[in-house]
Amino acid sequence: GNSVTQMEGPVTLSEEAFLTINCTYTATGYPSLFWYVQYPGEGLQLLLKATKADDKGSNKGFEATYRKETTSFHLEKGSVQVSDSAVYFCALTQSGGYNKLIFGAGTRLAVHP
Amino acid sequence: DTGVSQDPRHKITKRGQNVTFRCDPISEHNRLYWYRQTLGQGPEFLTYFQNEAQLEKSRLLSDRFSAERPKGSFSTLEIQRTEQGDSAMYLCASSISDDEQFFGPGTRLTVL
Repeated sequence: GNSVTQMEGPVTLSEEAFLTINCTYTATGYPSLFWYVQYPGEGLQLLLKATKADDKGSNKGFEATYRKETTSFHLEKGSVQVSDSAVYFCALTQSGGYNKLIFGAGTRLAVHP
Repeated sequence: DTGVSQDPRHKITKRGQNVTFRCDPISEHNRLYWYRQTLGQGPEFLTYFQNEAQLEKSRLLSDRFSAERPKGSFSTLEIQRTEQGDSAMYLCASSISDDEQFFGPGTRLTVL
């Protein structure tokens, strides 16, 4: 079945460090891929998405590229801030599946000054 | 605030009791989803409505769970004879067709 695997956290970085959170997926057909973020005390928010191979999603300095050949959608940011501290979830929707989201387990990021 | 709202935000109940949660989606959103999130895990899909029709239910949704969306607007999720394993955060999301899903703040259920 369809699934998403994320690198385990927590990830702890200093401010202005480079961030990578790995995400790989297993899916039939042509899924769309997403990164959601959950800030402390808040609900899930869409961070970025990509709907086909080689697409790059980007938002708030974060970016991820849909790599079909490696079935990956790694999240990157060049310079993290304390305010980026949150839990990040990689997810997919499969074509013809009513757009239901299948999430990874989440990766907690802690950025300290 | 015109986002997705859920009520209550927290519910503590004793094992064996019934509980009901409510979700109010963003108006004009025809799709509504319920997910469950346990500690340290990502959300898992429970069920999906398009307008008032329940079109998909996960195998996670045992016969103790029932969901409705009677007029294609708000939705309720009822759990009968709660068990400790039902303790989780219950999330609701809504969308217009295949567009972005917007999530509510969730209802945290604790079963004692």
